[in-house]
Amino acid sequence: AQTVTQSQPEMSVQEAETVTLSCTYDTSESDYYLFWYKQPPSRQMILVIRQEAYKQQNATENRFSVNFQKAAKSFSLKISDSQLGDAAMYFCAYRSPVRGGATNKLIFGTGTLLAVQP
Amino acid sequence: DAGVIQSPRHEVTEMGQEVTLRCKPISGHNSLFWYRQTMMRGLELLIYFNNNVPIDDSGMPEDRFSAKMPNASFSTLKIQPSEPRDSAVYFCASTPLAVPTYNEQFFGPGTRLTVL
Repeated sequence: AQTVTQSQPEMSVQEAETVTLSCTYDTSESDYYLFWYKQPPSRQMILVIRQEAYKQQNATENRFSVNFQKAAKSFSLKISDSQLGDAAMYFCAYRSPVRGGATNKLIFGTGTLLAVQP
Repeated sequence: DAGVIQSPRHEVTEMGQEVTLRCKPISGHNSLFWYRQTMMRGLELLIYFNNNVPIDDSGMPEDRFSAKMPNASFSTLKIQPSEPRDSAVYFCASTPLAVPTYNEQFFGPGTRLTVL
């Protein structure tokens, strides 16, 4: 079974600085998808960025980028120029590829609570 | 688009009572997921449906929990009887089955359930 581990329960960053959140996963599959979700105090789950395992290029979305190391099964999130609005819980998630038309479930890590200091 | 709609947003009930949580997925999405979030266990999948059919209910904690999807636009998660340990935030999410296969799951705002 696949597992996702986030070893940093809490992180803190100064406004305008850069922070990296760690995520590792375990799987025997060669094709899969990885996601970072943000959950602000409103509780809404918001997709931040996603990565397909077959793509070697790291995904980037504005100030958010990932460092995907497939051999090491590592998927870290880098937030550049941190803003107060980035303060939230961040979840790393894994999903198997769709097979036979069936959508597979997301497997979440335990989350990292990010505080942004003004 | 209104997004995934969940009701109620907050529910407070007493132990032993029946609780029904409701979800309306995004129109056109044919996969629906129920998740539960607690401090102790984090986010865990309870059950998911494809085209209104339950595919994987291995995450449903016990017989007190049941879920239905009578049509493509409505699903319920019922707890009967409720217990204090059921207190959690319950999320509903939906996604289309069509390619591309990396479609994200769109989450509703969640229902915060408190069982006294």
